[in-house]
Amino acid sequence: ETGVTQTPRHLVMGMTNKKSLKCEQHLGHNAMYWYKQSAKKPLELMFVYSLEERVENNSVPSRFSPECPNSSHLFLHLHTLQPEDSALYLCASSQDYRGGDGYTFGSGTRLTVV
Amino acid sequence: AQSVAQPEDQVNVAEGNPLTVKCTYSVSGNPYLFWYVQYPNRGLQFLLKYITGDNLVKGSYGFEAEFNKSQTSFHLKKPSALVSDSALYFCAVRDIYGSARQLTFGSGTQLTVLP
Repeated sequence: ETGVTQTPRHLVMGMTNKKSLKCEQHLGHNAMYWYKQSAKKPLELMFVYSLEERVENNSVPSRFSPECPNSSHLFLHLHTLQPEDSALYLCASSQDYRGGDGYTFGSGTRLTVV
Repeated sequence: AQSVAQPEDQVNVAEGNPLTVKCTYSVSGNPYLFWYVQYPNRGLQFLLKYITGDNLVKGSYGFEAEFNKSQTSFHLKKPSALVSDSALYFCAVRDIYGSARQLTFGSGTQLTVLP
């Protein structure tokens, strides 16, 4: 679709589970992002990677752990989440972290924590 | 610091009527401005952007936006709304010369086009 693919599309997990979200882009972009989107709230930037190096971590709890093994792949590892972590998690990429050309978003992973 | 405001949570318009979704911004320098659209359970899709040049920017699906520097606004417009335009719309800004590295998004405006 957009060039940014997120899997799975839906995820239901218990508070004691460990799961991972995956994001993949084949646009040749050098920066990748994780956003959290909750109902009635602005988009929350979680992490930014530029050329596989984390350049921003917006005070995200340690139960969220990002991993960027190469410029095409980004993971979000989840561990002992809380019900309030239920949200749509969006991955995006851009040519560089300055985002002058804008971002390309994936379709998101709808996460439900039970 | 950079910020963007979408003053309306919800906009309703009848099909065939013109629509406007409002956005105002604040930057210390010059802005990059963007509009994105989000359909249910999907990611944000790029509509249009203003970087420099003509103040009237044309984008996808017949949408356009006008950059107004004096009013620090970048309102999204379409001459004739379609029911299929119903979605959540986000404005975003980045200060070209600012220290923030990423886009700042507004809180979104839910557009409903009534048949």
